Amino acid sequence: KAGVTQTPRYLIKTRGQQVTLSCSPISGHRSVSWYQQTPGQGLQFLFEYFSETQRNKGNFPGRFSGRQFSNSRSEMNVSTLELGDSALYLCASSSWTGPNEKLFFGSGTQLSVL
Amino acid sequence: KNEVEQSPQNLTAQEGEFITINCSYSVGISALHWLQQHPGGGIVSLFMLSSGKKKHGRLIATINIQEKHSSLHITASHPRDSAVYICAVFSGTYKYIFGTGTRLKVLA
Repeated sequence: KAGVTQTPRYLIKTRGQQVTLSCSPISGHRSVSWYQQTPGQGLQFLFEYFSETQRNKGNFPGRFSGRQFSNSRSEMNVSTLELGDSALYLCASSSWTGPNEKLFFGSGTQLSVL
Repeated sequence: KNEVEQSPQNLTAQEGEFITINCSYSVGISALHWLQQHPGGGIVSLFMLSSGKKKHGRLIATINIQEKHSSLHITASHPRDSAVYICAVFSGTYKYIFGTGTRLKVLA
């Protein structure tokens, strides 16, 4: 069974640009969640999608958005990039039959904003 | 004060030692996850707990819901256990809150 795939692996952008990151979950998994990891703040929850619906959102500005497609693949978009958006962005998928479901993480997208 | 606190922040052990990493939380939770992150970023979910104790190989995780505390134990530690261990709680409305992590180094 293929794991969670995130593309691209590395990305360099400049301030003011926008970026779209992609996450393909494990086949059969309907929940995809996104996280930001920085040396200063650690891991922070961005949002979670289940069956194309956003179920919850973390404390991030509206510049951070996402969506999920009918095949459960998800994209995350960051508009008007700021230097502080430089981070490792991780997604995770689960089959979601409850909060005890194990999370499976992708390798992440390392975003650098110059 | 953070809603999820881990201790210690850094830990160096000799190969073979018994290791304990602690996680305390101040919010109501549905489940708690222990994650392992190796250099390079990859995260592996080790355990998810809502009560009691789980064991997998040399790893044991326990949770005390009344005391809002969880521990991750590593028996007979090995250099390949060197990683960052992160506690994550699942708190209402499908929201995850993460601890700051414990950086473990096991020396041969």
